[in-house]
Amino acid sequence: DTEVTQTPKHLVMGMTNKKSLKCEQHMGHRAMYWYKQKAKKPPELMFVYSYEKLSINESVPSRFSPECPNSSLLNLHLHALQPEDSALYLCASSQFLALSSYNSPLHFGNGTRLTVT
Amino acid sequence: DAKTTQPTSMDCAEGRAANLPCNHSTISGNEYVYWYRQIHSQGPQYIIHGLKNNETNEMASLIITEDRKSSTLILPHATLRDTAVYYCMGRGGGSNYKLTFGKGTLLTVNP
Repeated sequence: DTEVTQTPKHLVMGMTNKKSLKCEQHMGHRAMYWYKQKAKKPPELMFVYSYEKLSINESVPSRFSPECPNSSLLNLHLHALQPEDSALYLCASSQFLALSSYNSPLHFGNGTRLTVT
Repeated sequence: DAKTTQPTSMDCAEGRAANLPCNHSTISGNEYVYWYRQIHSQGPQYIIHGLKNNETNEMASLIITEDRKSSTLILPHATLRDTAVYYCMGRGGGSNYKLTFGKGTLLTVNP
């Protein structure tokens, strides 16, 4: 079990659908992250929120839209995705924004496995 | 891209120590080295991190060279459940805001 909960665990959607991925943590962490992971590849950073404000967008296409309603919740809204967007989407949190020079490990959820048909 | 390099794969016998190396030659003085592992179909799990001194916790030990250009993660008594991809994480290329995963080492613990 992890302290970062992601729902749903699996999601299949068509290219015209709109869906949302959800992430929740109750550790009092103030930074939250979305990563994308393709098969046999390392996770790739997509978005970072710090104190509920978007701090980093790694040039992600606009068909991915993040939202941080409060310090415990992080959503990723999906619209008009392509089959190549099929991947494992991972949420993480840390006490503070985990710049490399800070003593703030990331805590990951187990991800949502997304298939775009 | 991450400025860390790790061997693609390693094998270890069950019960023996597993020593996983990582090179991070571009790390600067105030940047930590983190280690995570990812067991199949799960999210990455934090293992340990360090700045300059060697570190130990209930999962592993981290040995950082004096020049901080490399480190070794040690699992003292590997079990079959330690089979996973191990990631050494350092500064991302060109930006202090990135915590970027390298390609990782697939550790296979054999009975």
